[in-house]
Amino acid sequence: SQTIHQWPATLVQPVGSPLSLECTVEGTSNPNLYWYRQAAGRGLQLLFYSVGIGQISSEVPQNLSASRPQDRQFILSSKKLLLSDSGFYLCAWSSPGGEQFFGPGTRLTVL
Amino acid sequence: QKEVEQDPGPLSVPEGAIVSLNCTYSNSAFQYFMWYRQYSRKGPELLMYTYSSGNKEDGRFTAQVDKSSKYISLFIRDSQPSDSATYLCAMKPNAGNMLTFGGGTRLMVKP
Repeated sequence: SQTIHQWPATLVQPVGSPLSLECTVEGTSNPNLYWYRQAAGRGLQLLFYSVGIGQISSEVPQNLSASRPQDRQFILSSKKLLLSDSGFYLCAWSSPGGEQFFGPGTRLTVL
Repeated sequence: QKEVEQDPGPLSVPEGAIVSLNCTYSNSAFQYFMWYRQYSRKGPELLMYTYSSGNKEDGRFTAQVDKSSKYISLFIRDSQPSDSATYLCAMKPNAGNMLTFGGGTRLMVKP
């Protein structure tokens, strides 16, 4: 069966510091991968998606970037965090039928 | 106007009640409809996945799609305190795997 991992689970970072969040998927090959951000009490905002290694599409202009160095690894990065980057970051993969399956999330607080 | 509208709630019901959660949408191209359950500080979990119009039942949960009215529902029978969560609807057209999400409805089932 497929599983999706995210780490760290919780992160507190100062403004201006770098960021690296990692997501890995097991049990499937060549999945579509997604990064979402969820602000408190709000819906999901799609940040990036990837259909293959090295292929990244950005949905929202921001100071975040994403990379896919391996088939089942998706990384979200920033060189300098802003206060507005605080939120709950979710990684997801999609099946051929289109359902998306989410990881446990990373709660980021920027102080 | 958002593509997918969902009442944010909170919706508070007594244990054992029948719960009705709803979404309306504006894009007639949507063909696949999903419901996710999200517990506090957790990733969304896929509950129901339906194609086009009609009903789908899984245990205490029934998903209903009315494409003519652009309206989808999730019914929960015999609601339990463990059903307390935020419920997100999501949908997509035939082509592609990008989901459009509602903002979520927070449900509280009181013992």
